Amino acid sequence: GAGVSQSPRYKVTKRGQDVALRCDPISGHVSLYWYRQALGQGPEFLTYFNYEAQQDKSGLPNDRFSAERPEGSISTLTIQRTEQRDSAMYRCASSPTRDTQYFGPGTRLTVL
Amino acid sequence: SQQGEEDPQALSIQEGENATMNCSYKTSINNLQWYRQNSGRGLVHLILIRSNEREKHSGRLRVTLDTSKKSSSLLITASRAADTASYFCATDAGGAQKLVFGQGTRLTINP
Repeated sequence: GAGVSQSPRYKVTKRGQDVALRCDPISGHVSLYWYRQALGQGPEFLTYFNYEAQQDKSGLPNDRFSAERPEGSISTLTIQRTEQRDSAMYRCASSPTRDTQYFGPGTRLTVL
Repeated sequence: SQQGEEDPQALSIQEGENATMNCSYKTSINNLQWYRQNSGRGLVHLILIRSNEREKHSGRLRVTLDTSKKSSSLLITASRAADTASYFCATDAGGAQKLVFGQGTRLTINP
């Protein structure tokens, strides 16, 4: 079956612009997670949802970052007024239970 | 912040040899997972071991967990060139639903 998909795969934007990153989880998965991964590092948690409810957003770096999952399926991570330090790989994962998380291919964000 | 620390940071071995990677973590856990990331690719789940388990096998993979030492090891036997990747351990950090990853071990298998 289809895995987690993310779009766009690559995004280049200018500093100060807003970006929206999309995640399509595996069908039927209750939980959806967002992580950010810097080069040479492991992923760092940003936020997660169970169904449409945002359960934990403690990893969001500041109020320029927000996420939603309005119908409990597709999720969007939005970064407002992007800065160069926001450049990273943004990864989405979904899971049917609390355990194994299945990751998408990621969106590589570059802020010029 | 990262909870786990993998050791070594990089490992280079000959094809056919065994590779062992270690992970240490700081807080209590319900389970620990290992993931593989090929260059430029996504994260692939390899194996999950629960806190009440000490050892688990999956094909050429063997994972051990020592909760008293807060450490885990991943052994890959009879390595292949396709095993070249970064390997990350991830914990649920006290039973939280989010995963906390280590910095990873970069494994290179030389033909």
